[in-house]
Amino acid sequence: GAGVSQSPSNKVTEKGKDVELRCDPISGHTALYWYRQRLGQGLEFLIYFQGNSAPDKSGLPSDRFSAERTGESVSTLTIQRTQQEDSAVYLCASSLIPGSNEQFFGPGTRLTVL
Amino acid sequence: SQELEQSPQSLIVQEGKNLTINCTSSKTLYGLYWYKQKYGEGLIFLMMLQKGGEEKSHEKITAKLDEKKQQSSLHITASQPSHAGIYLCGADEDETSYDKVIFGPGTSLSVIP
Repeated sequence: GAGVSQSPSNKVTEKGKDVELRCDPISGHTALYWYRQRLGQGLEFLIYFQGNSAPDKSGLPSDRFSAERTGESVSTLTIQRTQQEDSAVYLCASSLIPGSNEQFFGPGTRLTVL
Repeated sequence: SQELEQSPQSLIVQEGKNLTINCTSSKTLYGLYWYKQKYGEGLIFLMMLQKGGEEKSHEKITAKLDEKKQQSSLHITASQPSHAGIYLCGADEDETSYDKVIFGPGTSLSVIP
């Protein structure tokens, strides 16, 4: 596909369950970002992958959150033992480095923790 | 670390009116991005500014980066309902552009027909 894709588009889970969110970046984009957007709030940076460098995990809110990326392709964001405050839209973005830091965003995954 | 502030937090205007949204940084802006997020949809890139004093336009939206490169303004002329959404400014954390972009909290715009 031409753009960033994310799956699932919606996820409803029970408190305490683990969830896995997937992001497929644009082919050739070396940088990949995960953000969280709570209802009515701005983007909250979670984690950033750039090529083969160690990821910047400074935005992960707790050790229940982790993310992996295979080379310069798919990334998964895993939330363990979900809590109600984890409910949000999780957005993934990719950008082409070097050259431009314009980020292309996916449609997001809406996570609802009951 | 760099922080971005946006003002106003929300804005309601009558269709046809002009409006301005501001983005202010605590540090020098090396790359400033404006995005629009329509309610319930993803983010759309509007434009990028890099040089002090630079101004870019896209249709009825104009963005400018001030000479000191610490503030950017987004101006919409003759607003339309299609302009409604959340406007986010983002900035490169440093001049190498090899690092992450940080975002402001967003400005919610509503346009009343």
